[in-house]
Amino acid sequence: GAGVSQSPSNKVTEKGKDVELRCDPISGHTALYWYRQRLGQGLEFLIYFQGNSAPDKSGLPSDRFSAERTGESVSTLTIQRTQQEDSAVYLCASSLAGGPINIQYFGAGTRLSVL
Amino acid sequence: AQKITQTQPGMFVQEKEAVTLDCTYDTSDPSYGLFWYKQPSSGEMIFLIYQGSYDQQNATEGRYSLNFQKARKSANLVISASQLGDSAMYFCAMRDGQGAQKLVFGQGTRLTINP
Repeated sequence: GAGVSQSPSNKVTEKGKDVELRCDPISGHTALYWYRQRLGQGLEFLIYFQGNSAPDKSGLPSDRFSAERTGESVSTLTIQRTQQEDSAVYLCASSLAGGPINIQYFGAGTRLSVL
Repeated sequence: AQKITQTQPGMFVQEKEAVTLDCTYDTSDPSYGLFWYKQPSSGEMIFLIYQGSYDQQNATEGRYSLNFQKARKSANLVISASQLGDSAMYFCAMRDGQGAQKLVFGQGTRLTINP
């Protein structure tokens, strides 16, 4: 079956503009995660959705960042008034709910460049 | 707070040799999971292997094995018979057992396999 799909693969924007990043999880996966990876760094957790529960937003770096998810399908990460420090690869992952292992499967990411 | 430390920014190994990538972790939670991911130049994160804190045996998946030393809080990845296609970034990650689903990642190790 299809893996996690993210679009666009690359996004170049000007400082101050808003951007929307999209994630299509693996079908049947109820959990969805967003991470940020700055150049040469590990991944930083941003937000986690699980079914109809309130999302875990503890990793969002500022109120310029927000995310939505419709049911158990597509999620959109929105960054308002982009800044140069927002330049990074944004990775989405999905997983099956429950279970002790809960492996997260990742998409290829969206590379965001803020000029 | 959880923390993952990968002390080797880069490793160079001859093809067909075995290689060990180091990972140490810090958590106060007795229940946790440890993961290794591979990130080739294409950018996607590929799940390799998982070790639970209560697992009695070290995890193995094909050429990958995990040298889990709980008392030392280390979870080193061993790749046997390395291949040119193993060249990539490798990330160690941890998830604790208290319901938090996010992964905490280390800074990664860049592995280069020489022919």
